Amino acid sequence: RKEVEQDPGPFNVPEGATVAFNCTYSNSASQSFFWYRQDCRKEPKLLMSVYSSGNEDGRFTAQLNRASQYISLLIRDSKLSDSATYLCVVNRVDSNYQLIWGAGTKLIIKP
Amino acid sequence: SQTIHQWPATLVQPVGSPLSLECTVEGTSNPNLYWYRQAAGRGLQLLFYSVGIGQISSEVPQNLSASRPQDRQFILSSKKLLLSDSGFYLCAWSVWRQGAGETQYFGPGTRLLVL
Repeated sequence: RKEVEQDPGPFNVPEGATVAFNCTYSNSASQSFFWYRQDCRKEPKLLMSVYSSGNEDGRFTAQLNRASQYISLLIRDSKLSDSATYLCVVNRVDSNYQLIWGAGTKLIIKP
Repeated sequence: SQTIHQWPATLVQPVGSPLSLECTVEGTSNPNLYWYRQAAGRGLQLLFYSVGIGQISSEVPQNLSASRPQDRQFILSSKKLLLSDSGFYLCAWSVWRQGAGETQYFGPGTRLLVL
């Protein structure tokens, strides 16, 4: 089993719809969780950290489910500009500095 | 605010040639620094990280090396490039954020094609 797993997609979603991604992680001791966004041929950019109680930033909501070892990202009222690959990231338990990166879920918003 | 620079943006090199990619960070001191490689359609692979000048940890044995000659400078090198070294090379720095943990921020990357 991969340490961080994501559905590669692509998710083809009409503009204005709500879309949700899940990401599972293998190490129950993980403490830090992030969602990054990566546009085609660009660097990853931090979208949001995922806190234990869940957190929201505008149209984006992130949730953590420790019991089932997954994190989720919900995008409401999707925009064309939301088209990107979304990377799930989890800290490496045996290192303070290293992160484990999922391969990403590709999202395509259609007009 | 902090900024991170990488150059060049794109590089085409013949097999067997040397490589030197440079990354510099501004607006912070004593950052943790990272080199990643991303193959087409794949996730990020950590190559090296550094917690201070002259301190380099290698994650994947290969023909690449890294150096940190100054606090905010991180260099990725190779003496002889292989075809398999082609990819998107990303430099990152990180900061500890309360509640979130070690949060990484990336430079614009260098796209390397070895022919």
